[in-house]
Amino acid sequence: GAGVSQTPSNKVTEKGKYVELRCDPISGHTALYWYRQSLGQGPEFLIYFQGTGAADDSGLPNDRFFAVRPEGSVSTLKIQRTERGDSAVYLCASSRGGTETQYFGPGTRLLVL
Amino acid sequence: GQQLNQSPQSMFIQEGEDVSMNCTSSSIFNTWLWYKQDPGEGPVLLIALYKAGELTSNGRLTAQFGITRKDSFLNISASIPSDVGIYFCAGYYSGGGADGLTFGKGTHLIIQP
Repeated sequence: GAGVSQTPSNKVTEKGKYVELRCDPISGHTALYWYRQSLGQGPEFLIYFQGTGAADDSGLPNDRFFAVRPEGSVSTLKIQRTERGDSAVYLCASSRGGTETQYFGPGTRLLVL
Repeated sequence: GQQLNQSPQSMFIQEGEDVSMNCTSSSIFNTWLWYKQDPGEGPVLLIALYKAGELTSNGRLTAQFGITRKDSFLNISASIPSDVGIYFCAGYYSGGGADGLTFGKGTHLIIQP
């Protein structure tokens, strides 16, 4: 596709439930990033993949958050036992070979009730 | 961790006016990026700066990478209604630490016709 795509665009869940958010990067981009954006704030880095491996997961807030990229393309961000504080926009970005010029998807708006 | 201070927080201007916003950091970056985000969308890359002192233009937009590597500014000339949105600066340092971008909190640009 032409750009980064993310699904679903919106997700409403209940406290304690498990959610999965999907990201499809720009074709040919080997690097993939997940960010979280709270209301009124800039995006905050969560995790970076180079190919299939998580090269840097230092931004994940706790062990309820996990992400995979098994074939080096599509990535899934997984959140277990969701809490109301997890409500935010989750953004995915990709770049060529881990360069700093990252292109963002439209985001998934997660609301935990 | 690194902190980015972005100012002003918001701007109310008349159509046709020039706009200036800036970002300062507590530590150095190798790359400065400027993004624009519209409601319900992901950030869109406007300008990327890779070298201290670099001045780059993209249409009516001009951005500079400060020589201290701790600051950057973005200017918009002759603003038009579609310039409305939130502008984010982002910095990247390739010498260690997190591999993601560090974002400012954004400048809300509001244009009165």
